[in-house]
Amino acid sequence: IVVTQSPALLTVSLGERATIYCRSSQSLFYSSNNKDYLAWYQQKPGQPPKLLFSWASTRESGVPDRFSGGGSGTVFTLTITSLRAEDAAVYYCQQYYTSYSFGQGTRLEIK
Amino acid sequence: QVQLVESGGGVVQPGRSLRLSCAASGFIFSDYGMQWVRQAPGKGLEWVAIIWHDGSKKYHADSVEGRFNIARDNSKNILTLQMSSLRVDDTAVYFCARGRSSGYVDYWGRGTLVTVSS
Repeated sequence: IVVTQSPALLTVSLGERATIYCRSSQSLFYSSNNKDYLAWYQQKPGQPPKLLFSWASTRESGVPDRFSGGGSGTVFTLTITSLRAEDAAVYYCQQYYTSYSFGQGTRLEIK
Repeated sequence: QVQLVESGGGVVQPGRSLRLSCAASGFIFSDYGMQWVRQAPGKGLEWVAIIWHDGSKKYHADSVEGRFNIARDNSKNILTLQMSSLRVDDTAVYFCARGRSSGYVDYWGRGTLVTVSS
């Protein structure tokens, strides 16, 4: 399964909203449990990635509710509202429906 | 708290071997599947390998199949990655990672750098 993120670079002003897209070459939705096998991670320079969402929209403990995950099937979104300086990072989606593959990443810059 | 500490990275010549280790603590190691994920300098994340909680199943990415082997010792809380026939494009930071449910990662180590160069 090929996972494609867009855009590669996103520049958004402080306090505004950022939306990152993740598209899969095949559906990540498993009908037997009604779940989409997609995760989102945030990686800051010099740090390992941090899990933000599993199952497309299940927020990890401690992740601010300014972050939301959405979508189903083959198109997913990560939306960050009220952008703060500390949200600057590279964001990755990962499918775990068949084997495991990451998107190429989206660099979010705050202006 | 969950801790994953990688070791064993370094500079190695193409064609040689290297063994990475990951010491896990702060959780019941034998309850969790474990993974290796790598990141080439300035590049994105690439999944490398996964092993089931009891070691009964393991899978490797096509790019490393037949050259790398993931293993674990649940009596010592250690995850390993034996790498052989190393290539220049294996150069990366290798992260040890704890897997959840069907394979997403909830905790990551800080990584160990492997540089393959002549």
